[in-house]
Amino acid sequence: GAVVSQHPSRVICKSGTSVKIECRSLDFQATTMFWYRQFPKQSLMLMATSNEGSKATYEQGVEKDKFLINHASLTLSTLTVTSAHPEDSSFYICSAISGRSDYGYTFGSGTRLTVV
Amino acid sequence: AQSVTQLGSHVSVSEGALVLLRCNYSSSVPPYLFWYVQYPNQGLQLLLKYTSAATLVKGINGFEAEFKKSETSFHLTKPSAHMSDAAEYFCAVVYGGSQGNLIFGKGTKLSVKP
Repeated sequence: GAVVSQHPSRVICKSGTSVKIECRSLDFQATTMFWYRQFPKQSLMLMATSNEGSKATYEQGVEKDKFLINHASLTLSTLTVTSAHPEDSSFYICSAISGRSDYGYTFGSGTRLTVV
Repeated sequence: AQSVTQLGSHVSVSEGALVLLRCNYSSSVPPYLFWYVQYPNQGLQLLLKYTSAATLVKGINGFEAEFKKSETSFHLTKPSAHMSDAAEYFCAVVYGGSQGNLIFGKGTKLSVKP
């Protein structure tokens, strides 16, 4: 089955530093990847949609200069949280879909980011 | 705006009892519907999905859901709860075709009492 690997699973960083989160589709080519943010005891909020080889589409209210998304290949998308602040602490989850129309959304295991 | 509503942020059942988690969608056009389960500090695992085929959908771990257009509902059920079913459950919809964005409900936390 389709597998999405997300790394790291947990990261702690200092305020002002940048953190990169990787999302890889292991056994399929992901034409589209999604990045979500989840606050404690809340649902997933879509941050942005990335398509391979083009700029990401950000949801309203998401700072594109703070949350840099790169989808350079059909198997890898990265989310970089720049100049992180404690309020950026959250659970980030990626999702990928292939070009097949079987409505297959596969999720990564998530990254717990803590900014201190 | 298109949305999905999950009634009840927390549902508690006894082990062996029926599980019923409610989900309603808002659209005049039937969307594609999904149920996901999330365990603490983990990603989402697909339980089942409705993609305009059979209205009664069977998923993993004994769960099933029935699409009812007249009620705009897609409730998740399991005849007999198991302790391992305790988790957060999310209903999600896709509008606009297979490449559309998933829109999630707020989630329902299921607790199972021994």
